[in-house]
Amino acid sequence: DSGVTQTPKHLITATGQRVTLRCSPRSGDLSVYWYQQSLDQGLQFLIQYYNGEERAKGNILERFSAQQFPDLHSELNLSSLELGDSALYFCASSRPRVAIGTGELFFGEGSRLTVL
Amino acid sequence: ELKVEQNPLFLSMQEGKNYTIYCNYSTTSDRLYWYRQDPGKSLESLFVLLSNGAVKQEGRLMASLDTKARLSTLHITAAVHDLSATYFCAVDGSGGGADGLTFGKGTHLIIQP
Repeated sequence: DSGVTQTPKHLITATGQRVTLRCSPRSGDLSVYWYQQSLDQGLQFLIQYYNGEERAKGNILERFSAQQFPDLHSELNLSSLELGDSALYFCASSRPRVAIGTGELFFGEGSRLTVL
Repeated sequence: ELKVEQNPLFLSMQEGKNYTIYCNYSTTSDRLYWYRQDPGKSLESLFVLLSNGAVKQEGRLMASLDTKARLSTLHITAAVHDLSATYFCAVDGSGGGADGLTFGKGTHLIIQP
């Protein structure tokens, strides 16, 4: 158990719908990262938040957005869903590297999204 | 753009054999990470390599890092079936100029009795 909690574990929805994925980082971790894993694209970095602020953006679609709340949990919002959005979405967290971290990411169990 | 390339992407081997997975990356980085993923499961951290020449071993797995060659290897000794999984290497740099890791495509390893 990495200490990173993601909900829901599975989600089935229809095209055009909107879903929200939730992540609670490990205790003490300030950074939260979202990754998308699909068979054809592999593990793609979407976005990173650090202590409530957006820090880096990767290959995140405009239909997707995220935020990190004061209690450090994060939500990834996916809207106008398409069939191609079906994937495993991982959240990961880490300690600040400058301080005490090694840069190692700790991953949650993932949320499997199926768009029909 | 940071590129991380693993090879092979697919490897089928017999128990008891030795093999090496290679990870090349395109940027200067002194940190490299290896993860294991079982089908449909999360990514589990295996090794964190933090400097040139770093070598770490856990059981039948050994990882090393050559930052000058931008190369890391994951060596499997006397493979056993339980090591069947997908192995990812990852390098610092999400491409956004911040903390984060860029992953290779993964090496799908099947170890047959």
